[in-house]
Amino acid sequence: QKEVEQNSGPLSVPEGAIASLNCTYSDRGSQSFFWYRQYSGKSPELIMFIYSNGDKEDGRFTAQLNKASQYVSLLIRDSQPSDSATYLCAGDSGGGADGLTFGKGTHLIIQP
Amino acid sequence: GAGVSQSPSNKVTEKGKDVELRCDPISGHTALYWYRQRLGQGLEFLIYFQGNSAPDKSGLPSDRFSAERTGESVSTLTIQRTQQEDSAVYLCASSFVRAVVGNTIYFGEGSWLTVV
Repeated sequence: QKEVEQNSGPLSVPEGAIASLNCTYSDRGSQSFFWYRQYSGKSPELIMFIYSNGDKEDGRFTAQLNKASQYVSLLIRDSQPSDSATYLCAGDSGGGADGLTFGKGTHLIIQP
Repeated sequence: GAGVSQSPSNKVTEKGKDVELRCDPISGHTALYWYRQRLGQGLEFLIYFQGNSAPDKSGLPSDRFSAERTGESVSTLTIQRTQQEDSAVYLCASSFVRAVVGNTIYFGEGSWLTVV
């Protein structure tokens, strides 16, 4: 059973601080990992994807992947109240054919 | 179209009735996915279509659920004899190919189903 695990939170971070979201996965065959942001009542929207070990930066967002330890993280610098949402981590199925396996998401609250 | 389009956006139905949910993927996307998300829960994979290949139905929760897609066009998810536990948002997504390195999936706004 492929699993992607996230702490459901809520994770509360003061405005301007760094928010750190973590995710672990069970399927060593997974190659690509995705972070989606989902506002309440809305559909998920892609933030970033990563497939190489190390860091990938895009604006205030940095995704980190460690395949040996099977974890993925997302850092949000200079957190804004508009970053308050649920963040979904997802991994692909490697050689499988079932799309992405999603974690249950971490609810992030940025305190003004 | 510019994005994944789903209809209806909201549906309230009586227990035991059948419902059909429609998804129109992004033009040119060969892969299409259906996910279910119950209130406050994560995304649950239901079914995946890739081009003209046989669909991956491994996520369908029961035989009351079925889905069709003709070629690389519109897909319909059908739920027969709806039950209250079917209440959820049903999200459709599409991508150029199955999610591999760098190929991301894009979601529609969802069809919110309430069974009363």
